[in-house]
Amino acid sequence: SQQGEEDPQALSIQEGENATMNCSYKTSINNLQWYRQNSGRGLVHLILIRSNEREKHSGRLRVTLDTSKKSSSLLITASRAADTASYFCATDQFGNEKLTFGTGTRLTIIP
Amino acid sequence: DTGVSQDPRHKITKRGQNVTFRCDPISEHNRLYWYRQTLGQGPEFLTYFQNEAQLEKSRLLSDRFSAERPKGSFSTLEIQRTEQGDSAMYLCASSPVDTQYFGPGTRLTVL
Repeated sequence: SQQGEEDPQALSIQEGENATMNCSYKTSINNLQWYRQNSGRGLVHLILIRSNEREKHSGRLRVTLDTSKKSSSLLITASRAADTASYFCATDQFGNEKLTFGTGTRLTIIP
Repeated sequence: DTGVSQDPRHKITKRGQNVTFRCDPISEHNRLYWYRQTLGQGPEFLTYFQNEAQLEKSRLLSDRFSAERPKGSFSTLEIQRTEQGDSAMYLCASSPVDTQYFGPGTRLTVL
């Protein structure tokens, strides 16, 4: 079963604009991770944020975590055509390392 | 590239046949995971090894599925008497602690 949901399910923006996608989950977590998946390929790890962290940056990526609302957001700044992919959030729980994924956001960057 | 590798990348088989997939994790990672992903969905957890010990199995892993990691290095996932519903992408991931790094996946098509 899926832990949570990404919102929106699909997003199309112009190259150079910022893209924001959200993830909601259902149970208490230890870590939340964001992954990118190009069509038909494996997942690429983007960033991990721990439950005691509120914000994290990596290059053009900014992730926030609000454990009181059981939600996270991923911001991609200055989008590029190569950012076109599906983005998934995944959570794990204390004492249980398996990842539970959301349903993904399909991001399309229009050149 | 010293990432996670999976073999084969694609497998087409007829219903009722047995198939076996291999995963080679990143060499220093003692944790290895198998996930299954169907079209339009996020990956779903199947099973998890720490070294050679299989620590958790999902209810998705019916008795037709078996996974091994005999020497704590590579792992195999076997599906016996394949059914059309087994058609999916099978993903392997390895981890030193928290972050899971995924391989390219094996796409299985059961005719």
